[in-house]
Amino acid sequence: DQQVKQNSPSLSVQEGRISILNCDYTNSMFDYFLWYKKYPAEGPTFLISISSIKDKNEDGRFTVFLNKSAKHLSLHIVPSQPGDSAVYFCAASGNTYNTDKLIFGTGTRLQVFP
Amino acid sequence: ETGVTQSPTHLIKTRGQQVTLRCSSQSGHNTVSWYQQALGQGPQFIFQYYREEENGRGNFPPRFSGLQFPNYSSELNVNALELDDSALYLCASSLDRAVLGHEQYFGPGTRLTVT
Repeated sequence: DQQVKQNSPSLSVQEGRISILNCDYTNSMFDYFLWYKKYPAEGPTFLISISSIKDKNEDGRFTVFLNKSAKHLSLHIVPSQPGDSAVYFCAASGNTYNTDKLIFGTGTRLQVFP
Repeated sequence: ETGVTQSPTHLIKTRGQQVTLRCSSQSGHNTVSWYQQALGQGPQFIFQYYREEENGRGNFPPRFSGLQFPNYSSELNVNALELDDSALYLCASSLDRAVLGHEQYFGPGTRLTVT
């Protein structure tokens, strides 16, 4: 049973435009969510996170939105750059005091073209 | 400050064999978590070690075991390898079990192929 779902395996966006990556979850006990970016031959790199007490968190070009009632979160990248091309994983944790035990989605491959 | 390193990079084993994968934590980190990433999937939590003690385990059989050493480096051991164990194995280190705000940092992974 996939508790964290990323239903779009891939996304292609033109440079300068907005990229929107989506993630759905089923477990209402999740209270902390993270986005990781992964380049080939590298481990995932932490990008941005959000606690369930918030509905938005922003860091530069990256913004994560959380809709708890819909059990949905999204990552917005504005403006998108070619260097953003990578696989993006959404992850969730049920414990804000130990966020290591993460449950990951299957990832979305983002390609940003010129 | 050195990042998380893993060895070896790639490994090919035969079904039924045993394998040991190694991970060196980022400097100052006392917690190591191991994940298995099968092809086309997201990483799956195997277990975590905090100050040399196992601190939680995912849905993996006992033939997956681990160790954490006093310098906080770690090993993942897999016995009686099966074909489905073929995957990228990632370790991630953090400080104090990644209390909110202290994120975990991943190594590049070990690609294990079981034939």
